[in-house]
Amino acid sequence: EIVLTQSPTTMAASPGEKVTITCRARSSVSYMHWYQQKPGASPKPWIYDTSKLASGVPNRFSGSGSGTSYSLTISSMETEDTATYYCQQWSSNSLTFGSGTKLEIK
Amino acid sequence: EVQLVESGGGLVQPGRSLKLSCLASGFTFSNYGMNWIRQAPGKGLEWVASISSSSSYIYYADTVKGRFTISRDNAKNTLYLQMTSLMSEDTALYYCARRGLRSYFDYWGQGVMVTVSS
Repeated sequence: EIVLTQSPTTMAASPGEKVTITCRARSSVSYMHWYQQKPGASPKPWIYDTSKLASGVPNRFSGSGSGTSYSLTISSMETEDTATYYCQQWSSNSLTFGSGTKLEIK
Repeated sequence: EVQLVESGGGLVQPGRSLKLSCLASGFTFSNYGMNWIRQAPGKGLEWVASISSSSSYIYYADTVKGRFTISRDNAKNTLYLQMTSLMSEDTALYYCARRGLRSYFDYWGQGVMVTVSS
């Protein structure tokens, strides 16, 4: 099983601030997916195949990375971005999620 | 419109069994792999099991292997999760999720709660 470690666990950003969430894998993976989850709601696909935005995701979001290090970046934080973000990978017939990053607005 | 509607959850005693269902609509169910993912109260997401479109490939998380069985009925557009020997650690909101063509989970149900307690 490939363990995914997200950092930070929680963070608060001011409106307009740039935000970066990191997801590190214990072993190299080919791609990373990201999901956004708001309280009381089901997760939503957010970024897939490392850098592609899911339908309806604002272009202030971006994804990058390779090997064991991946990141989700918000170029300019907005109130509506408050949520928990999870990374996810699938390899060797085993799928894992990161532990999540809770992002709040200052 | 793609819809995934889970059912079958509830309160169950430790050691007992429960079977979850997920009724799919709005897409050709038999063309997609499906998954169960759970979330314990206040915790993160945990993948539980996966089944390919024709049931040829089935995978489980180590935490449920030997206790849970994923299956599907393409004629009924329904995904199942048979859970046996339930433990308190299995208490969670169980989501049904479609694995899209690019291997990520592109649609999720609203979830069904399973509580294991005496």
